[in-house]
Amino acid sequence: KAGVTQTPRYLIKTRGQQVTLSCSPISGHRSVSWYQQTPGQGLQFLFEYFSETQRNKGNFPGRFSGRQFSNSRSEMNVSTLELGDSALYLCASSREGNQPQHFGDGTRLSIL
Amino acid sequence: QKEVEQDPGPLSVPEGAIVSLNCTYSNSAFQYFMWYRQYSRKGPELLMYTYSSGNKEDGRFTAQVDKSSKYISLFIRDSQPSDSATYLCAMDNDYKLSFGAGTTVTVRA
Repeated sequence: KAGVTQTPRYLIKTRGQQVTLSCSPISGHRSVSWYQQTPGQGLQFLFEYFSETQRNKGNFPGRFSGRQFSNSRSEMNVSTLELGDSALYLCASSREGNQPQHFGDGTRLSIL
Repeated sequence: QKEVEQDPGPLSVPEGAIVSLNCTYSNSAFQYFMWYRQYSRKGPELLMYTYSSGNKEDGRFTAQVDKSSKYISLFIRDSQPSDSATYLCAMDNDYKLSFGAGTTVTVRA
């Protein structure tokens, strides 16, 4: 069974640009969550989607947004990139949300 | 104060030793408790998932939850060099996981 797939694996951007990251959940999983991982702050929750609806959102500025499609695939977008946005962005999926979340290997975003 | 506290270590043990990891938390609303293992350049891998207080065993891994003390533990028996990784505790509430800082473990051959 294929796991959570995130693309691209690595991305380099400059300040002020925007970026879109993609996540394909495990087949049959309808909940997709996004997390940011940095050495200083650890893993922090961004948002969670279920059936194309955002059910919870973390404490991140409005520059961070996401969406989920009818096939459960999800994208997150970060606009007006800042140096501090450099991080590993992780996507996780679960069947219904309040069940074990399984993670992809993330997208490493570097801002120059 | 963080919702989930975890000693970041690092922790270094000889092969075959028991590894003991723990986390404390402050939010009584947490219902589900997980341990993840993360290797360098990889995403977190789910090791254990528990709901109620008590022990849960899976092979060399034992997870303990004490809701009254707001304390969870993970024990790894007969540790192997391949267990060298960062171990993260996580807790679920309202479709959101809150993580500890992660403990870096090295098992010396």
